[in-house]
Amino acid sequence: DIQMTQSPSSLSASVGDRVTITCRASRTISTYLNWYQHKPGKVPNLLIYAASSLQSGVPSRFSGSGSGTDFTLSISSLQPEDFATYYCQQSYSNPLTFGGGTKVEI
Amino acid sequence: EVQLVESGGGLVQPGRSLRLSCVASGFTFEDYAMHWVRQAPGKGLEWVSGISWNSGSIAYADSVKGRFTISRDNAKKSLYLQVNSLRGEDTALYHCAKSSVGYTSSPAEYWGQGTLVTVSS
Repeated sequence: DIQMTQSPSSLSASVGDRVTITCRASRTISTYLNWYQHKPGKVPNLLIYAASSLQSGVPSRFSGSGSGTDFTLSISSLQPEDFATYYCQQSYSNPLTFGGGTKVEI
Repeated sequence: EVQLVESGGGLVQPGRSLRLSCVASGFTFEDYAMHWVRQAPGKGLEWVSGISWNSGSIAYADSVKGRFTISRDNAKKSLYLQVNSLRGEDTALYHCAKSSVGYTSSPAEYWGQGTLVTVSS
């Protein structure tokens, strides 16, 4: 199985900050990498698919990059509604696997 | 509007079974793969199982292989997860999720609110 490792596991940031989260796969997954945002009491929301494609309706301050084993999710200017936990997920091969999550706090 | 409504969760003793269901609406169910994803209390997301549009491809997480069985009924627009030999570590909120395409190796673009499974004696 492909292991996904996210860093950091948590971070503190302020409104307006640029935030970067990294995700590393245990072996190459091309660009089969997805990012989700999860807020308490809500269902997870797909932000980015195929490493860098923005899901419909997601603000353009979110962006993704990377290929192979190393990926990043960036938020260009953090907004109050962005405080949440973010997960990467590989969809290169079954079983699909998630990273451990990155909690973005104020 | 895509809607996914799960049911079937509850409090169950270790070793017992449950059948989780998910009814879909708002999209052509038979065209898309579906997933089950769970989140244990205080833990992260864990992909549990996926099934392709025609049930031709099915996959499971190692943690549930041999105990859980995913299935679908396209005529009823329904997804199922038979969960057997339940353990304490299976306690979680179970979400069904719609894939973006027909095969299982794909992201989950819509999620249901989930059904809670609690395994305890």
